[in-house]
Amino acid sequence: EVQLVQSGAEVKKPGESLKISCKGSGYTFTDYWIGWVRQMPGKGLEWMGIIYPGDSDTTYSPSFQGQVTISADKSINTAYLQWSSLRASDSALYYCARGGSASTYPFDDWGQGTLVTVSS
Amino acid sequence: EIVMTQSPATLSVSPGEKATLSCRASRSVSYNVAWYQQRPGQTPRLLIYGASTRATGIPARFSGSVSGTEFTLTIRSLQTEDFAVYYCQQYDKWPPYTFGQGTKLEIK
Repeated sequence: EVQLVQSGAEVKKPGESLKISCKGSGYTFTDYWIGWVRQMPGKGLEWMGIIYPGDSDTTYSPSFQGQVTISADKSINTAYLQWSSLRASDSALYYCARGGSASTYPFDDWGQGTLVTVSS
Repeated sequence: EIVMTQSPATLSVSPGEKATLSCRASRSVSYNVAWYQQRPGQTPRLLIYGASTRATGIPARFSGSVSGTEFTLTIRSLQTEDFAVYYCQQYDKWPPYTFGQGTKLEIK
């Protein structure tokens, strides 16, 4: 059974850094793309970016390029989403999701989501 | 960036009836469109990919179709658990693989 388990909820202050994680199991982690999706309170889904853990090939949405960093550690089957300096507008629910072995594939399995709250 | 425009924003339908949700792509995305369901407080779930292929475990009352750049999700014999928000997504041209803004399917 494919599982994506995300790290727990975070409460941070503006300007702080943060790294959230997504651990995959039940499949060959290096063979499938992993993406990140933002959902702001009461809003829709936004595609942030995607990484291929096999070679760390990463693509970002222009809306998120330079704002976040996506990475992966294939030795522990874990993908990451990080911020160097959080803003209040980064408060949202963040999902990781598994794509396909090819880049042209939807997200067929999702993590449970990590709620990030940024407030002074 | 490809824009996916969903309509209507909210759809009110009675249980047992049929719901038809639309999604228009701003330019060609071939058949690379998926539909997701998100129930309140839950994670999105893949329903349809390739415009018309049901994902594993998805009931046959869910179907997808396409005409040019107009994609449709049809849900027949609505069950109470089907009332949720539905999103389309194109995964043909990135970045990004854009989502539509969602259609809320509510009980009439």
